[in-house]
Amino acid sequence: QSALTQPASVSGSPGQSITISCTGTSSDVGSYDLVSWYQHHPGKAPKLIIYEVTKRPSGVSNRFSGSKSGNTASLTISGLQAEDESDYYCCSYAGSNIYVLFGGGTKLTVL
Amino acid sequence: QVQLQESGPGLVKVSETLSLTCTVSGTSIKSYYWTWIRQPPGKGLEWIAYIYYSGSTKSNPSLRSRVTISVDTSNNHFSLKLNSVAAADTAVYYCARVDVNTVTYDFWGQGTLVTVSS
Repeated sequence: QSALTQPASVSGSPGQSITISCTGTSSDVGSYDLVSWYQHHPGKAPKLIIYEVTKRPSGVSNRFSGSKSGNTASLTISGLQAEDESDYYCCSYAGSNIYVLFGGGTKLTVL
Repeated sequence: QVQLQESGPGLVKVSETLSLTCTVSGTSIKSYYWTWIRQPPGKGLEWIAYIYYSGSTKSNPSLRSRVTISVDTSNNHFSLKLNSVAAADTAVYYCARVDVNTVTYDFWGQGTLVTVSS
């Protein structure tokens, strides 16, 4: 089964909002509200920022939000800050056999 | 604070076995699920396998025949073995804690690069 599809890169200026899409199929993203997002600064441990499509772990800024429509999940970052510049990965449950799929990652550049 | 640290050889020869250990601190390895995930250079993340402290496991169908995951509750660590490695197994390998019900990876290690070379 193919990985989830994310744009390779997105960019935005400080204070702006950006959205990163994560497109799967009716067998994964479209069937389950079990999409999570991770922020990954290279060389560091990835950090969970969204789980179960819309939920934020304790301590994660409310500038991060998640949503889903059909087979596509989205991560929105509002009020962009320089520290948001990072790689972002989505993840979705894909049924009991495959179990989980990840996206290819999106590099966010804050201009 | 929960911390995970991967350890193991950074270089493995083709056809041999890759062996990694993840040491968990700040929490007991009991009562949680633990997992291995990898990222080949320039590519996305790939789930490898997970294990419960009781020994129950699940692995990626594409790797299942080559993967062994185990847990050592006495030393609070878990391990990965991947046999018959090839160049395509070159990747940064991460260990993480997973909530298998929500499919959420809430704590990760920093990752360790394993290069497979002839």
